[in-house]
Amino acid sequence: DAKTTQPPSMDCAEGRAANLPCNHSTISGNEYVYWYRQIHSQGPQYIIHGLKNNETNEMASLIITEDRKSSTLILPHATLRDTAVYYCIVRVYGNKLVFGAGTILRVKS
Amino acid sequence: NAGVTQTPKFQVLKTGQSMTLQCAQDMNHEYMSWYRQDPGMGLRLIHYSVGAGITDQGEVPNGYNVSRSTTEDFPLRLLSAAPSQTSVYFCASSYNLADGTDTQYFGPGTRLTVL
Repeated sequence: DAKTTQPPSMDCAEGRAANLPCNHSTISGNEYVYWYRQIHSQGPQYIIHGLKNNETNEMASLIITEDRKSSTLILPHATLRDTAVYYCIVRVYGNKLVFGAGTILRVKS
Repeated sequence: NAGVTQTPKFQVLKTGQSMTLQCAQDMNHEYMSWYRQDPGMGLRLIHYSVGAGITDQGEVPNGYNVSRSTTEDFPLRLLSAAPSQTSVYFCASSYNLADGTDTQYFGPGTRLTVL
């Protein structure tokens, strides 16, 4: 199974970009990288996913390195409401998501 | 759309009691699943279903039963509750795309305490 490694916590100033790293050195060629977040014990919320190209949507950008061994989730202008646990997930098989401990992002004013 | 709904929001059981956690979705999703989340940890997959009449075990299935008689509903049954099953339970649903790129939608969770 492809595993992910994330820092346990990060701080970010409100209004600045939050850059959350993720290592997935054993990722296979057809496995996608997904990002979800969980705000204050609510159900996880989908953010973005990608295979090898960089992706952007209304919530965030996803930068995947050329060798696909790591990626970075970018929240361009973090707000206090972005304080959450962020999970980087490599889709193992089918629809099953394997969650690690994630990164606690604290956005501070 | 109501999305994914779960009932109850909170439940307290005594050891040995049984109960059913309800999950429903109105998005016509084929795939539904149950996760549990213990304090300070990520979610772990209990059971999942790729369509009505089809279920399979996830990472931590012991002590739980599921069935899928309709597309909309996917109840989780605790057969004989144990303190180790104290957790927050999340239900999720998605389409069942062949390339696995579908987005999963999660319910608000059921907070279960077993005394």
